[in-house]
Amino acid sequence: EDKVVQSPLSLVVHEGDTVTLNCSYEVTNFRSLLWYKQEKKAPTFLFMLTSSGIEKKSGRLSSILDKKELFSILNITATQTGDSAIYLCAAHDEKLTFGTGTRLTIIP
Amino acid sequence: EPEVTQTPSHQVTQMGQEVILRCVPISNHLYFYWYRQILGQKVEFLVSFYNNEISEKSEIFDDQFSVERPDGSNFTLKIRSTKLEDSAMYFCASSEDGNTIYFGEGSWLTVV
Repeated sequence: EDKVVQSPLSLVVHEGDTVTLNCSYEVTNFRSLLWYKQEKKAPTFLFMLTSSGIEKKSGRLSSILDKKELFSILNITATQTGDSAIYLCAAHDEKLTFGTGTRLTIIP
Repeated sequence: EPEVTQTPSHQVTQMGQEVILRCVPISNHLYFYWYRQILGQKVEFLVSFYNNEISEKSEIFDDQFSVERPDGSNFTLKIRSTKLEDSAMYFCASSEDGNTIYFGEGSWLTVV
């Protein structure tokens, strides 16, 4: 059975801190790993990773994939209160298999 | 920025009734999906749709569910004879190439 595990489940940090969110996966016909930010309703697309070792960056967010060890990390530097959300990772074969998410809370 | 739009945002229905959830995918996208998220649980795959037919469906997507693309823009999910356990947020999603997948705001279905 396809499985995606995220850690930690919950994280509370102060504004300005750097955080690392973890995602491990086991899917049969892996194509890519996607990260989403879910604030109120819709998961908002952040990154799609297909190749190992190539870091993707968007502002203060970055992500990298390790296809040998079957995990990905999402880094957020200089966190802001607007970064508070649930961060979801999903492994893509013919469908997206989601993890439970990491609930990130940024304290001003 | 183009986005996936869904209606209604919230629907309350009585057990046993039929509901239709509507979605307008991003205009040049070819792959369409429905996912759902029961309160407090993971986002779960229901069905994918490409070239006017279902390409993949999960165990959840049984005979109670159907999808349709009735015209060039809408993509609908029909749930027949709703049950209490169908209460969830239903997300429509679309993709241009089947790789990067964009989600709508969701339709919150409450079955009473």
